[in-house]
Amino acid sequence: NAGVTQTPKFQVLKTGQSMTLQCAQDMNHNSMYWYRQDPGMGLRLIYYSASEGTTDKGEVPNGYNVSRLNKREFSLRLESAAPSQTSVYFCASSEPQGFSYEQYFGPGTRLTVT
Amino acid sequence: RKEVEQDPGPFNVPEGATVAFNCTYSNSASQSFFWYRQDCRKEPKLLMSVYSSGNEDGRFTAQLNRASQYISLLIRDSKLSDSATYLCVVNTYLGNQGGKLIFGQGTELSVKP
Repeated sequence: NAGVTQTPKFQVLKTGQSMTLQCAQDMNHNSMYWYRQDPGMGLRLIYYSASEGTTDKGEVPNGYNVSRLNKREFSLRLESAAPSQTSVYFCASSEPQGFSYEQYFGPGTRLTVT
Repeated sequence: RKEVEQDPGPFNVPEGATVAFNCTYSNSASQSFFWYRQDCRKEPKLLMSVYSSGNEDGRFTAQLNRASQYISLLIRDSKLSDSATYLCVVNTYLGNQGGKLIFGQGTELSVKP
């Protein structure tokens, strides 16, 4: 099993350009998440999808859109990139079981917006 | 106030030392608690869950005090390979929708020979 995969691994964008970050998981998990990680800020939740067909905003959704394409895939789109979106983006998935469960993370996408 | 706060670090310790990480959380409705480990420029990975009774996994011991809203992680006999950033993570359960994980900012540990 590959677990959680993300593409691309690195990306440089100019201000105003758009792009889509792709995420896929092969663990048959229902829930998927997008986070961003900035120095000194920890990981912050952008959007999540509790199950196929549903998406909800997290802590920092402005400037992003998501699509839960199917159970395996959850994409994150930047419509008009801004330098403030320079960050490392992690996708994660989980299968909730009771009160305690593990989230599995992809390797991350390092995005620079100039 | 941040929902999850950790010691700012970094911690620089010699091999064999015992090191303790502290974490507080503000949402009393939080229901489950974790320590994740993140190696430099890599993804976070679950180190251990934290239970009210306390739990131990080899050299690692985690404790939870719900009354004080406090979580700790103790590493005994630290190894060079323990060098990483340790993330305190709190989960608010959303029923069958899973839950939201709130991450602390992390505490960096560097173990020196």
